[in-house]
Amino acid sequence: GAVVSQHPSWVICKSGTSVKIECRSLDFQATTMFWYRQFPKQSLMLMATSNEGSKATYEQGVEKDKFLINHASLTLSTLTVTSAHPEDSSFYICSARQPPSGANVLTFGAGSRLTVL
Amino acid sequence: GENVEQHPSTLSVQEGDSAVIKCTYSDSASNYFPWYKQELGKGPQLIIDIRSNVGEKKDQRIAVTLNKTAKHFSLHITETQPEDSAVYFCAASIVGNEKLTFGTGTRLTIIP
Repeated sequence: GAVVSQHPSWVICKSGTSVKIECRSLDFQATTMFWYRQFPKQSLMLMATSNEGSKATYEQGVEKDKFLINHASLTLSTLTVTSAHPEDSSFYICSARQPPSGANVLTFGAGSRLTVL
Repeated sequence: GENVEQHPSTLSVQEGDSAVIKCTYSDSASNYFPWYKQELGKGPQLIIDIRSNVGEKKDQRIAVTLNKTAKHFSLHITETQPEDSAVYFCAASIVGNEKLTFGTGTRLTIIP
């Protein structure tokens, strides 16, 4: 079945630095990927929709300059948390739509846990 | 926009018994309802989904029912096993629009 890989699975960084998280569709092409944020014991909150070859679409309240999204190819989307602060610590999860087209089934990555010191 | 409510937030069930988790949605245009299982430290995994043109779908020990009129859908797990312990999320979306709105999650614990 469709597999979505995220890297790194966990990362610790110092406040003020930037961190990049990769999301890859391993065995299918994904023109659209989604990035979610999840706080402990809470639900998934959609941050943005990543579109291959065009700008990402951000949800209301999500800072575009803080969370940079690049979807440079049909199998790779990246999320860069810029000038990270402790409040950015969270579990970040990406997803991609499984083919065939028209189906709504999303496959999720295993998530990336970010801890900002 | 869509709002999905999920109950209960926690559920403990004796091994072998059944578990039921319920969700309601607000947008009558929603027509795709997946259920995800999330284990600790992992991403959600799709376990079953249903579209609005059917009222029930079953896959071995897991079933989902949908009441479009009342705008609610439920997950039923029968003959529960310890490995069923996880957090379960319901979600809703419109076919063709891939944005999912998630429920708040249910932490299911199976008591051996």
